[in-house]
Order: sequence, then structure tokens, then C-alpha cells
Amino acid sequence: DGGITQSPKYLFRKEGQNVTLSCEQNLNHDAMYWYRQDPGQGLRLIYYSQIVNDFQKGDIAEGYSVSREKKESFPLTVTSAQKNPTAFYLCASSIRLRLAGGWGNEQFFGPGTRLTVL
Amino acid sequence: AQSVTQPDIHITVSEGASLELRCNYSYGATPYLFWYVQSPGQGLQLLLKYFSGDTLVQGIKGFEAEFKRSQSSFNLRKPSVHWSDAAEYFCAVAPYNNNDMRFGAGTRLTVKP
Repeated sequence: DGGITQSPKYLFRKEGQNVTLSCEQNLNHDAMYWYRQDPGQGLRLIYYSQIVNDFQKGDIAEGYSVSREKKESFPLTVTSAQKNPTAFYLCASSIRLRLAGGWGNEQFFGPGTRLTVL
Repeated sequence: AQSVTQPDIHITVSEGASLELRCNYSYGATPYLFWYVQSPGQGLQLLLKYFSGDTLVQGIKGFEAEFKRSQSSFNLRKPSVHWSDAAEYFCAVAPYNNNDMRFGAGTRLTVKP
């Protein structure tokens, strides 16, 4: 089955530690994204990547880092510089659709990882 | 500034009643429009999307949404709600020729027996 997997589902970290969240997709999508979700705030974009070995900061990139060495994988590292890392993290990938007037993208989401800092 | 507004943080409806969730956007031009649903502790599932054409779009699970350009709205509707529809619903917009997608803050739906 094609889809997006995130692991682990629950993650606990001590203050001052870096932690890496995994995201893998077998949909052959070029673009991948990381979002942070906090209650009442919807989804906020952390980083996105449109192609292998290239990525851009989103709205809240401070304290996070990413890599995109393979098309299928887009891991997110939450560093000790992130002041308030406890949150639900969602990974997504998108397919580019050729449409009237240009192109658009439809995003598909993984099941998420809940990170708790102890 | 570009924004997506879901005015209702929480809505409660009785099972079998009709449902309408509101979404308004502020963009320079008509963007692509989406509704996603999220069950607790899960990822987001696409309910429906609007790119162009007929302004009334049908989605999965019996949902539909209507795009009204004059009101910059894309409201989600369902004629008869089931208990399994209890979840959080997110409206999202994306501009043409751009990977950016913006999400509303979400509306949490509770269904009463």
C-alpha cells in the first residue's frame, strides 16, 4: 500500500537533547513537508522540500533542522534550541497537478508523531 | 496578508441533524481550496477539494462544499451527521503555481446522540 509513515508515534525527550522524527513516503512524490500542530492553532509549516538535496524554511523553522538525501525520506530534527518542542508533528507529501491556469498541489499526510519534552 | 479563517472553534450537533462548517479566506486571487478531517491523534484525511469548474464539490463520507467567490468562502456541509463524524475539520487554501498551503485553526465537531 502506498502512503506516508512516521515513526515513532510517541516520543519522549529530556530537555537539552536533540531528537529526530522519521518520515518516509512511497508515493513517489517530489515535495515533502513538516508541520507542527498545537491546540487551537491549526498547522504551522516548519520546513518543506521540493526536491532531493533542497529544502526551505517555513514559518517556524527556528530550532529545527531537516535533510533530504533521498526522495522517499525527510527526517526532522528537533534541536535543544527549540524553546517549546512539545507538540504533534505531521509530515506530508504532495503531488503536482496540472490544472487550468497553472498547477496546484494536493497534500497527503502521515499519522503524526507526538513529541513530549520531560 | 493571506489568511484562512474558521470562525467556529467548536460546534455541537445532534446525530441526524445537518451540518455546516464555515471557512473564509483572504488571498490576492482565488486559491485552490481544501477540507481535511482529523480524528484524535491521527493525521489529516482529505475530504474534498476545489480547483475550478462547478462551485459545488462532492467529497467522501457524504460531505460537500460550496465555493462562493463573492464571499471568499468555502463552507463544508453534510445533510445528516453520523456519530462517526465527530472529529476536527480543517479548511486549507493554496495559491496557484505554489507549494504553499495555509490552514485554518480548525473546527472541532461534537455529535450528540
